[in-house]
Amino acid sequence: AAGVIQSPRHLIKEKRETATLKCYPIPRHDTVYWYQQGPGQDPQFLISFYEKMQSDKGSIPDRFSAQQFSDYHSELNMSSLELGDSALYFCASSQYNEQFFGPGTRLTVL
Amino acid sequence: QKEVEQDPGPLSVPEGAIVSLNCTYSNSAFQYFMWYRQYSRKGPELLMYTYSSGNKEDGRFTAQVDKSSKYISLFIRDSQPSDSATYLCAMRGGNQFYFGTGTSLTVIP
Repeated sequence: AAGVIQSPRHLIKEKRETATLKCYPIPRHDTVYWYQQGPGQDPQFLISFYEKMQSDKGSIPDRFSAQQFSDYHSELNMSSLELGDSALYFCASSQYNEQFFGPGTRLTVL
Repeated sequence: QKEVEQDPGPLSVPEGAIVSLNCTYSNSAFQYFMWYRQYSRKGPELLMYTYSSGNKEDGRFTAQVDKSSKYISLFIRDSQPSDSATYLCAMRGGNQFYFGTGTSLTVIP
């Protein structure tokens, strides 16, 4: 069965640089979520989209933005990167009430 | 106080033991309950999904929900070393999913 696809899987950036993370949800799933997970922490909700419209916003810094495109893929844009942004970033998609996660993008900010 | 409370462990059991993982929650509006398994540096994998109070069984896994006590459990029978992972409970409230902090489980051969 198709799963959530994320790219890149690993990303290394320097402070103050910009990063773009991509997510391809499971086909026919109508909602996409972005999460940030630090070491030993639970996933922290950042933002979600329902049918390409932003539906909920969590603890997403103003330096981050996201959008969902007409083909349902989503991108998380992160600017002015800080050391503390180093984390695993997960995209998840859902239809109805089950949520499926992608493999994540490991971002390291040096 | 977090919406969802979960004992982080770590929990260490011998192979073949029955494992009990638990979460409590405070929001009575939560209707959908999930358990995820997460291996190190991997994405959370959906294990069980339940809606109503009661038990749901899938192989060696049983999910239990007690809405009156706002308490959910995951039981793993005949635990295997491959079950060693972090287990996260999650619940849906509105359009968001709320996670526990995860319980780290090690099954010793």
